[in-house]
Amino acid sequence: KQEVTQIPAALSVPEGENLVLNCSFTDSAIYNLQWFRQDPGKGLTSLLLIQSSQREQTSGRLNASLDKSSGRSTLYIAASQPGDSATYLCAVRQAGTALIFGKGTTLSVSS
Amino acid sequence: NAGVTQTPKFQVLKTGQSMTLQCAQDMNHEYMSWYRQDPGMGLRLIHYSVGAGITDQGEVPNGYNVSRSTTEDFPLRLLSAAPSQTSVYFCASRGSGRDQPQHFGDGTRLSIL
Repeated sequence: KQEVTQIPAALSVPEGENLVLNCSFTDSAIYNLQWFRQDPGKGLTSLLLIQSSQREQTSGRLNASLDKSSGRSTLYIAASQPGDSATYLCAVRQAGTALIFGKGTTLSVSS
Repeated sequence: NAGVTQTPKFQVLKTGQSMTLQCAQDMNHEYMSWYRQDPGMGLRLIHYSVGAGITDQGEVPNGYNVSRSTTEDFPLRLLSAAPSQTSVYFCASRGSGRDQPQHFGDGTRLSIL
């Protein structure tokens, strides 16, 4: 059974710092991996989707990498801002249809 | 450009009551799903549908029913509400391609007293 783990569960950094969020998964037979952002009391916003054949995807200050063979993905946030404070979730999709989620990393960026 | 719309946003029920959580999408997505999100448990799949007339169970289906009569709508029914069903419920949809991203609604916050 696929399991997705995100470490750390919470992270606090000062504004301007570059940071890395980690996601690991136990079964490398995935179609893709998706990173989401969730603000308090809100739904999930898709940030990046990495296909299994890709190594990384970039969107603005965000860069997500995927190492399928080792079961790891990272989300790199450059020059963090207070507006980046949120919970970040990763999810993998396998054959079948459902996403399997990690429990998230709650990020707090202080000004 | 509505995306995935969930109603209501908040609901309080008494134990034993029934209700339907509504979900609609305007992106012509074939795949739709319902998740519940609980502290410390993450998001767990309740039911999903790969197209009109086709539904299947997810990880935590007990106490919930779904149907999919149209492409746009995927309602979730609580048959007899229990306090254990207090949660935040999210509806999601995506296109049929293998690498289509999942889109989520804003959630329904449900409390069962």
